[in-house]
Amino acid sequence: QVQLQESGPGLVKPSETLSLTCAVSGYSISSGYYWGWIRQPPGKGLEWIGSIYHSGSTYYNPSLKSRVTISVDTSKNQFSLKLSSVTAADTAVYYCARVGGYLELYYFDYWGQGTLVTVSS
Amino acid sequence: SSELTQDPAVSVALGQTVRITCQGDSLRSYYASWYQQKPGQAPVLVIYGKNNRPSGIPDRFSGSSSGNTASLTITGAQAEDEADYYCNSRDSSGNHLFGGGTKLTVL
Repeated sequence: QVQLQESGPGLVKPSETLSLTCAVSGYSISSGYYWGWIRQPPGKGLEWIGSIYHSGSTYYNPSLKSRVTISVDTSKNQFSLKLSSVTAADTAVYYCARVGGYLELYYFDYWGQGTLVTVSS
Repeated sequence: SSELTQDPAVSVALGQTVRITCQGDSLRSYYASWYQQKPGQAPVLVIYGKNNRPSGIPDRFSGSSSGNTASLTITGAQAEDEADYYCNSRDSSGNHLFGGGTKLTVL
C-alpha cells in the first residue's frame, strides 16, 4: 500500500521560504510516476502547485512558478517543496500526492494526510 | 481558457440520483478525474478516466464525458456521500487544473 506523509514547519514568517517534505513508503519513487504538491487554503478549493518525475523533470503552476522549487531525493524516497517569499495568502493545508496515468489521462491516486502551514509573524 | 468550472452547490434527496458537472476546454483533450473530500480529510479519488473506480469505491459512483463537460453521477445517494467534490484534468502544457468544487448535500 502506497503511503505519503508530509512534514515541515507549521508556521512560517512572511517573506521567508516554506519548506515541506513528502516521505513515500510502499513504493519506490525511482520506479516511476510523477509526484505532486497540492494546497488548499482554509475554506477554499484545491490548487495544484507542481509535479516532479523521479528523473527530476518538473511542471509548475504558472501562477506560482517564480516562487516554487520541487526536488526529489530517490535515496531517501522522498520529494520536497520550497515556496519562497510567502505571504498570508500562502496559508493552506499542503498535500503531497502520486500522479497516476498517462497520455490523455492523469489522476492523483494516493494522497498524504495534509499539513497546515500558517504564514504569520 | 485553462479553467474547470463546477456548480458551487448541489443537493439530492436520500436514495435519489445526482449529477455533478465540470466544464472546461481541457476536457476536450484530457479525461477528468473526480475527488471526494469530507471535512478535515484529504481528498479521495472516486472516478478517473472514462469511468474507472479505484478499489473500494462503491459502484453507485460513475463518470461520463461529452465535449467539454465531464460528469460525476451518484445513483442512489447515501448520507455518507455528503461531501465536497472536485474535478481535475491536465492541460496541453502539462499543468493540472482543479475545478472550484461542488458541495453536495444529501437531504
